[in-house]
Amino acid sequence: NAGVMQNPRHLVRRRGQEARLRCSPMKGHSHVYWYRQLPEEGLKFMVYLQKENIIDESGMPKERFSAEFPKEGPSILRIQQVVRGDSAAYFCASSPASGRYEQFFGPGTRLTVL
Amino acid sequence: QQPVQSPQAVILREGEDAVINCSSSKALYSVHWYRQKHGEAPVFLMILLKGGEQKGHEKISASFNEKKQQSSLYLTASQLSYSGTYFCGTEYAGNMLTFGGGTRLMVKP
Repeated sequence: NAGVMQNPRHLVRRRGQEARLRCSPMKGHSHVYWYRQLPEEGLKFMVYLQKENIIDESGMPKERFSAEFPKEGPSILRIQQVVRGDSAAYFCASSPASGRYEQFFGPGTRLTVL
Repeated sequence: QQPVQSPQAVILREGEDAVINCSSSKALYSVHWYRQKHGEAPVFLMILLKGGEQKGHEKISASFNEKKQQSSLYLTASQLSYSGTYFCGTEYAGNMLTFGGGTRLMVKP
């Protein structure tokens, strides 16, 4: 049973470009969470999605950031017009259902904005 | 509100014990514990649920005091592989986890 997959693992963008981060949850998991981690800091919740629905996006910046989890395919976290402050590790996690289930994390995408 | 973890850092010799604490200012539904090694993804250790149910690894033990809104992770007879940063994630409502700032653990030979 493959774990949570994220790609790319490393992404370099220049200021003003767009970044697209992909996350494929574990087989059988329909709940996806995105977190951001700055160096030497903790994990900050960004958004929680189920298939075709955004359940909670309270941690997402209001501008430039968006997320989706379509019926088919991976979940996408999109950052438009990136700035240097967007440089961070972005982790996605998945769980099998709602309620108090453990979340399994992917390896992360390390975004560097030049 | 972010839960508060203590201590922020701890250094152990192999075989020593440690306790990592996680405190919340709000009532908790569950507490999740993860360990993250540098440059890697967080790895699930344990979940403690309101009502006393626990799910996790056999070699890890933890407690959850619902009244005090606190959880503690107990690391006994530490091994070099225990080194890393430990995060508690607290669930207040819904399914979102709010993570603490982490506790850096270093185990030395």
